[in-house]
Amino acid sequence: NAGVTQTPKFQVLKTGQSMTLQCAQDMNHEYMSWYRQDPGMGLRLIHYSVGAGITDQGEVPNGYNVSRSTTEDFPLRLLSAAPSQTSVYFCASSYYGGANEKLFFGSGTQLSVL
Amino acid sequence: KQEVTQIPAALSVPEGENLVLNCSFTDSAIYNLQWFRQDPGKGLTSLLLIQSSQREQTSGRLNASLDKSSGRSTLYIAASQPGDSATYLCAAHSGGGADGLTFGKGTHLIIQP
Repeated sequence: NAGVTQTPKFQVLKTGQSMTLQCAQDMNHEYMSWYRQDPGMGLRLIHYSVGAGITDQGEVPNGYNVSRSTTEDFPLRLLSAAPSQTSVYFCASSYYGGANEKLFFGSGTQLSVL
Repeated sequence: KQEVTQIPAALSVPEGENLVLNCSFTDSAIYNLQWFRQDPGKGLTSLLLIQSSQREQTSGRLNASLDKSSGRSTLYIAASQPGDSATYLCAAHSGGGADGLTFGKGTHLIIQP
């Protein structure tokens, strides 16, 4: 049982480069989201999606793009990486995104932007 | 805006002790309060979810309580074991959907063998 799978686990980018962080879930969850975790701060929501074709912004969306073409996948795109985007990124999912549903997290992508 | 604070930031105790982790939140109008565990290099695992109408939830050696009026939740770990070493995060749910979660910074717990 894979759950939520994130790739890659580690990535180093140069300022200005672009890349896509991949997230896939095999639990048929409608709700998927991206968080970033920085030292000394709690997790902060970047973008989320309540189903295929529907996305919305979270607390810190600037510099990131998302799309949701299938139920299973929710990639996060950095179009022009900046050092401020150095962080650990987590993808999470739940059935419908309801308030009392448990969130399932991937194991994270550690990103360094030089 | 909801703010969630966890005290202490780090805690080290000998194996076998009972311990309490604290979580406070500024806006008492929450749907639920969740506790997560995070192991190094791993994602978060949901431990307990207390709905706003509940006072506590139990799972094995873990017991979480919620006092909305005072804006506090505690996670009680009984008979601690080295395998309990991890970072514990609480998150208050203020919105209508999963996007309404506000996380604390976590308590880094070390259980000494």
